[in-house]
Amino acid sequence: AQSVAQPEDQVNVAEGNPLTVKCTYSVSGNPYLFWYVQYPNRGLQFLLKYITGDNLVKGSYGFEAEFNKSQTSFHLKKPSALVSDSALYFCALTHNTGKLIFGQGTTLQVKP
Amino acid sequence: EAGVTQFPSHSVIEKGQTVTLRCDPISGHDNLYWYRRVMGKEIKFLLHFVKESKQDESGMPNNRFLAERTGGTYSTLKVQPAELEDSGVYFCASSQGEQYFGPGTRLTVT
Repeated sequence: AQSVAQPEDQVNVAEGNPLTVKCTYSVSGNPYLFWYVQYPNRGLQFLLKYITGDNLVKGSYGFEAEFNKSQTSFHLKKPSALVSDSALYFCALTHNTGKLIFGQGTTLQVKP
Repeated sequence: EAGVTQFPSHSVIEKGQTVTLRCDPISGHDNLYWYRRVMGKEIKFLLHFVKESKQDESGMPNNRFLAERTGGTYSTLKVQPAELEDSGVYFCASSQGEQYFGPGTRLTVT
């Protein structure tokens, strides 16, 4: 069965520090992996995706994610966090079906 | 270009009542998805339309939920009768590749 896990309910970082939001997945075959962000009272916004190719994927707002097949992980990273990055982040996968399978979400809190 | 819109943004109903949620996809998008997030858990797939046809409805929880997409444009999701466990945020997404999500409808069943 396909699944996505986000082991941290909340991540707290200080502004200017690097941030990592963790995601691991389980799927048979090659996954398509995504990160979405939800700001308060807004819909989910696409950040980045991994389909194939380079393991380091760059996305919107300075975010990037590293696909690690051996560890079945797709952690979201940013070198220097901003207070405005505070939001709810979802990792998701799809496997040729179109429908997305999401993790539980991680709240990122960036403090000034 | 207008994004995916959903109506209402928030609905509070009593157990046993009926509620209809509406989703207007991005114009020209053939694929339309419904998802929901219950009680702060993961967002779960409900169903997928390709134009007016149901491609996959494996995520629909039971027969109290009915989704339609008349003419392959907007879609409605009706819950009848609503139960307490139906409370959550219902998201709609449309795509011709990337999935673009609407802001969601927060449904509260009391």
